[in-house]
Amino acid sequence: NAGVTQTPKFQVLKTGQSMTLQCAQDMNHEYMSWYRQDPGMGLRLIHYSVGAGITDQGEVPNGYNVSRSTTEDFPLRLLSAAPSQTSVYFCASSRRDKAVKQYFGPGTRLTVT
Amino acid sequence: GQQVMQIPQYQHVQEGEDFTTYCNSSTTLSNIQWYKQRPGGHPVFLIQLVKSGEVKKQKRLTFQFGEAKKNSSLHITATQTTDVGTYFCAGSGPYSGAGSYQLTFGKGTKLSVIP
Repeated sequence: NAGVTQTPKFQVLKTGQSMTLQCAQDMNHEYMSWYRQDPGMGLRLIHYSVGAGITDQGEVPNGYNVSRSTTEDFPLRLLSAAPSQTSVYFCASSRRDKAVKQYFGPGTRLTVT
Repeated sequence: GQQVMQIPQYQHVQEGEDFTTYCNSSTTLSNIQWYKQRPGGHPVFLIQLVKSGEVKKQKRLTFQFGEAKKNSSLHITATQTTDVGTYFCAGSGPYSGAGSYQLTFGKGTKLSVIP
């Protein structure tokens, strides 16, 4: 199993550009989520999904969209990138039980200039 | 909303010294998880505590969950250079439908070990 994969590893965007961060998992996990990590801020939940077709907002959803058309994939879209979205983004997945072990992807380091 | 505070933010220890990080929640937790993130890496699950007063050990690491299920600690005995990284706690609140799947992470404690 590859586990949770994320692409790209690094990305530089100009302000106003849009892009999609890809996340895929091959463990048949129902629950998937996106976090951003900023220095001194820990991991903050952006959006999450408890299954295909079901998504919900986390703590910091503004400026991001998600969709979940398959169990395997959970892409994160930046609609109009801003410097405040410079961060490291982690995707995670788990079974749908009540808060179980999260498997994290390797992360995408995004810089917005 | 639920808040999880973690202290200290940074800890520098001499190799062989002990290390402890503490986690406190503003609300009662249904469980708490601990993760380790090596420099440049991603968070990796260490353990989950569910029961009030629970204590679990993994070699030199000891994890505790408070009686009131609002606080937790991670203690490392005789640190080694391989312990370097940031340790995060993550709490899950009482079941509330889809919201129960959210974990609230503490800001982490960054551990440096001086050889």
